[in-house]
Amino acid sequence: GESVGLHLPTLSVQEGDNSIINCAYSNSASDYFIWYKQESGKGPQFIIDIRSNMDKRQGQRVTVLLNKTVKHLSLQIAATQPGDSAVYFCAEKDYGGATNKLIFGTGTLLAVQP
Amino acid sequence: ETGVTQSPTHLIKTRGQQVTLRCSSQSGHNTVSWYQQALGQGPQFIFQYYREEENGRGNFPPRFSGLQFPNYSSELNVNALELDDSALYLCASSLGGDRAGDTQYFGPGTRLTVL
Repeated sequence: GESVGLHLPTLSVQEGDNSIINCAYSNSASDYFIWYKQESGKGPQFIIDIRSNMDKRQGQRVTVLLNKTVKHLSLQIAATQPGDSAVYFCAEKDYGGATNKLIFGTGTLLAVQP
Repeated sequence: ETGVTQSPTHLIKTRGQQVTLRCSSQSGHNTVSWYQQALGQGPQFIFQYYREEENGRGNFPPRFSGLQFPNYSSELNVNALELDDSALYLCASSLGGDRAGDTQYFGPGTRLTVL
């Protein structure tokens, strides 16, 4: 399949280490944020979401942190595995015009070294 | 798997031609959103359909148009294709409306190449 990682920021980690992927969002009025994982040749896959009334949410091996003061979002992956290798996108929900659209960040390529 | 399907998987067209892409939403979802993803970039919102009506549009020209059917499946039509239309076209289905926290689930996409 084609690569979606061209010209993207890259995070390289060793298998078993923890990964932290960061994202700066643009709209201070956004109140819902999502992390997606996209493997080569596939559509984005939902990982975890968080609403603006929270600053932390945990899933299985993943944690999302939200800092509204500086408009920053991070995704932490514990015990990173080779299957975690993909491009990771943060997305914010924009309610302008009552549209349920998502605004995506530029993405980060996570490369897990065995 | 999200239960969202798209067809075709790949498509090659020439400049000036027209193309129709199809999406079947996840069972129980009444909203479909379409996104364009150029190589190496994040998806860009094209438009959204909610209960067969257009419910918002991104910064795309009128030659990008769509439909949603009573079973909530959807089509994206692009007329007068240009080279820059080459991209991965994604559809996402959701439960609908403008509810906070309404998660969008993506299909595998259609890779369009314009020569």
